[in-house]
Amino acid sequence: GAGVSQSPSNKVTEKGKDVELRCDPISGHTALYWYRQSLGQGLEFLIYFQGNSAPDKSGLPSDRFSAERTGGSVSTLTIQRTQQEDSAVYLCASSRGLGNTEAFFGQGTRLTVV
Amino acid sequence: QQQVKQSPQSLIVQKGGISIINCAYENTAFDYFPWYQQFPGKGPALLIAIRPDVSEKKEGRFTISFNKSAKQFSLHIMDSQPGDSATYFCAASKGGSYIPTFGRGTSLIVHP
Repeated sequence: GAGVSQSPSNKVTEKGKDVELRCDPISGHTALYWYRQSLGQGLEFLIYFQGNSAPDKSGLPSDRFSAERTGGSVSTLTIQRTQQEDSAVYLCASSRGLGNTEAFFGQGTRLTVV
Repeated sequence: QQQVKQSPQSLIVQKGGISIINCAYENTAFDYFPWYQQFPGKGPALLIAIRPDVSEKKEGRFTISFNKSAKQFSLHIMDSQPGDSATYFCAASKGGSYIPTFGRGTSLIVHP
């Protein structure tokens, strides 16, 4: 596709349920990032994938959060046993990686935990 | 620890005025400083970026000023327009690690 695609655009879930958020990066981009955007808190880094290297998971807030990237393309962010504080917009971005740091963002998934 | 501090949190400017947003960083290893613009319901999009080998970069009405010794950089929007109303994020990243660290954002409102 022409840009980074995220699905779903909105997700309402009950506390304690698991959710999966999907990201389709721009074709050919080797780097993929997940960020969380909470009101007034800016963009919080969660996890970074670069090619076939081990992902940088240093931003994941707890072990309830995990992400994978299959075939170097599509990525899924999973949140287990969701809590109300997980409510936020989850943004995915991709870039060409090494030597090019412009990140292209999707429009995000708005997650609401009730 | 907040590595990139952005101010102000919100800014109101009259049409035609100058909007100025400031950022300060701590890590001297940072070598790429982009600004992103975000409209409601959309993801951030790159607006303009600078590397520390220059002190200023201008693209149309948007200018980044960079002060390496003070570890500060700022975005100036000249002749601000209502269509510039958005949230602006500064960011910084360092060579070998292409993970941008973002400021907390500035909500800009330009009144007609």
